[in-house]
Amino acid sequence: QQQVKQSPQSLIVQKGGISIINCAYENTAFDYFPWYQQFPGKGPALLIAIRPDVSEKKEGRFTISFNKSAKQFSLHIMDSQPGDSATYFCAAQIWGKLQFGAGTQVVVTP
Amino acid sequence: NAGVTQTPKFQVLKTGQSMTLQCAQDMNHEYMSWYRQDPGMGLRLIHYSVGAGITDQGEVPNGYNVSRSTTEDFPLRLLSAAPSQTSVYFCASSYGGTGNTIYFGEGSWLTVV
Repeated sequence: QQQVKQSPQSLIVQKGGISIINCAYENTAFDYFPWYQQFPGKGPALLIAIRPDVSEKKEGRFTISFNKSAKQFSLHIMDSQPGDSATYFCAAQIWGKLQFGAGTQVVVTP
Repeated sequence: NAGVTQTPKFQVLKTGQSMTLQCAQDMNHEYMSWYRQDPGMGLRLIHYSVGAGITDQGEVPNGYNVSRSTTEDFPLRLLSAAPSQTSVYFCASSYGGTGNTIYFGEGSWLTVV
C-alpha cells in the first residue's frame, strides 16, 4: 500500500504564482522528509528537506510546512518560474531508505 | 565529482534473458539502494545495502538479485527478464544515520520485449 500519499497529480501555474503540493504519511517511524525535483531523463535531485521536530523550513522560494500531529507536510513554491517545470516527489526517509509519493507534475506557464 | 554512476543508460532485453545493471559511487557512502520508477507510481525500493556484505529486500524485490562486495559498487541482476520489469531503474547512495541526503544516479532505461 502507498505509505506516502501525494496530491495533486498535476498542476499548472502562471509565472509568478504559488504552487502547493501536499503529502500525508502513515508510519511515524520516518525521521526525515525530503522533497525531490526530477526533470525528464534525469534522476531525482534533493530540493529541500525537513526533520519532524521542525514545523517549517524555507530555502529561497521553496518552503516546507510540516504538521507532525496530522502526519502531513507540504511544499510551497513561491514566485514560480518556467524553470521550475518538473515533477516533484515528496518522500519519507528512514535508515537510508525512501518511501516516495506518486509525484506531481508542475507546469509553469509564461 | 562523479557521484552515483549507472551503466548502461539504455538496454533492450528479450524475455528470459539475464543482465546486470551496474552502479558505482565515489562518495564513500555506506548505504546504497536500487529503485524502479513506473508511471504514476513514484519510485519503489527494490533492494538496499547498509554496507559491504549486507543486503536486504525492499518493497519490490522479486526477480532481482543484489550483492555488495565493495563499498563503491552495488550491481542489480535481473535473473530472467519479464515484460513487467520494463522500467527506469535508479541507484542511490547516502551516508548512514538520520537525515542524510540520498543521492541518485541518472537512471537506466530498461525495455523487456
